[in-house]
Amino acid sequence: GDSVTQMEGPVTLSEEAFLTINCTYTATGYPSLFWYVQYPGEGLQLLLKATKADDKGSNKGFEATYRKETTSFHLEKGSVQVSDSAVYFCALSPGSSYKLIFGSGTRLLVRP
Amino acid sequence: DAGVTQSPTHLIKTRGQHVTLRCSPISGHKSVSWYQQVLGQGPQFIFQYYEKEERGRGNFPDRFSARQFPNYSSELNVNALLLGDSALYLCASSWGMGSGTDTQYFGPGTRLTVL
Repeated sequence: GDSVTQMEGPVTLSEEAFLTINCTYTATGYPSLFWYVQYPGEGLQLLLKATKADDKGSNKGFEATYRKETTSFHLEKGSVQVSDSAVYFCALSPGSSYKLIFGSGTRLLVRP
Repeated sequence: DAGVTQSPTHLIKTRGQHVTLRCSPISGHKSVSWYQQVLGQGPQFIFQYYEKEERGRGNFPDRFSARQFPNYSSELNVNALLLGDSALYLCASSWGMGSGTDTQYFGPGTRLTVL
């Protein structure tokens, strides 16, 4: 079945460091791909999305490119801030479906 | 505009009891989905309701049920609670069916603890 695999955390970085969180997926058809972020004590917030191959989603300095050939959707940010500390979830929505299938999440801790 | 709201925020129950969780979608949204997030894991899809009809169900036992009301709010019911039902229950709303082009917006969740 469809699934999402994320790199395990926690990822600990110093402020202004470069961030990459790896995400790969398995799906039939043409899924849409998402990154959600969960701050402590809060629900999930959509960070960015891409709905077809080679699309790049971007928001708040974060970027991810839908790579069909490598079935990947890696999250990147050039310079992280302390306020970026959170848990990041990669997710897919199967082509004709409504439900979201999430990875297990990657905790990011940014130190001043 | 108000976002997705859920009640209660926290809930403590004992094994065998029944629980009802509530969700109000964003105004104008017609779809509500429910997810279970066990500590340390990603959310798992439970149900989706669109226009008051069940449109999808995840791999959860029949102890889990839900419904959507004419005002598009929703309830999730869990009977005969087990310790393993302890989790954060998330509600998400979207305008349409919530496919890739239709963003799902999540509420803050209800933290259920089963003792």
